[in-house]
Amino acid sequence: EIVLTQSPATLSLSPGERATLSCRASQSASNYLTWYQQKVGQPPRLLIYDTSKRATGIPARFSGSGSETDFTLTISSLEPEDFAIYYCQQRGKWPLFPITFGQGTRLEIK
Amino acid sequence: QVLLQESGPGLVKPSETLSLTCTVSGGSINSFYWSWVRQPPGMGLEWIGYVYYSGSTNYNPSLKSRVTISVATSKNQFSLKLTSVTAADTALYYCARHKSDSSGYAFDYWGQGTLVTVSA
Repeated sequence: EIVLTQSPATLSLSPGERATLSCRASQSASNYLTWYQQKVGQPPRLLIYDTSKRATGIPARFSGSGSETDFTLTISSLEPEDFAIYYCQQRGKWPLFPITFGQGTRLEIK
Repeated sequence: QVLLQESGPGLVKPSETLSLTCTVSGGSINSFYWSWVRQPPGMGLEWIGYVYYSGSTNYNPSLKSRVTISVATSKNQFSLKLTSVTAADTALYYCARHKSDSSGYAFDYWGQGTLVTVSA
């Protein structure tokens, strides 16, 4: 299976700053990387799919990039509501899969 | 607005079978892939498996020997059965829909999750 490693584990920033979150795959994940945001007591929320496509209703300050094994989620200017845990996810290789998630990056207020 | 709602027992005894159902409202279960994902308290996300509306399935190899996911299109529901549970299966169980236009099998709708505790 493809192992996703997210870094850093915790990122401490202030509102208005730029956040850069990394997700590295143990083998090629092609361009099928997904990003989610999860707040306490809530299910994950889809942010970015297929590496760089913003989901419906997601603000333009969220962007995704990368390919093969290295992917990045960038939040251009942090809003107070952006402080949460972020997970990346890949689909695996057909037909065996499995779908896997990274361990998460906690974005906290500095 | 598509809504997913998990239902089932919140407490299961060790060695018994965990059974959950996800009811989909506000949209049809047809033409989509549907998954179960779990999250142990304070930990990350683990994909359990998916079912297509036609009934075809794919499971996480780490759980494959214990998992069955089925669909009931007439009821707009799909279900999870996990056998021989242990304390390690204690988690918040989510049902989720795969986005139809995502090559990466992204999840675009999620239930609120249901906590299942395995304990005698």
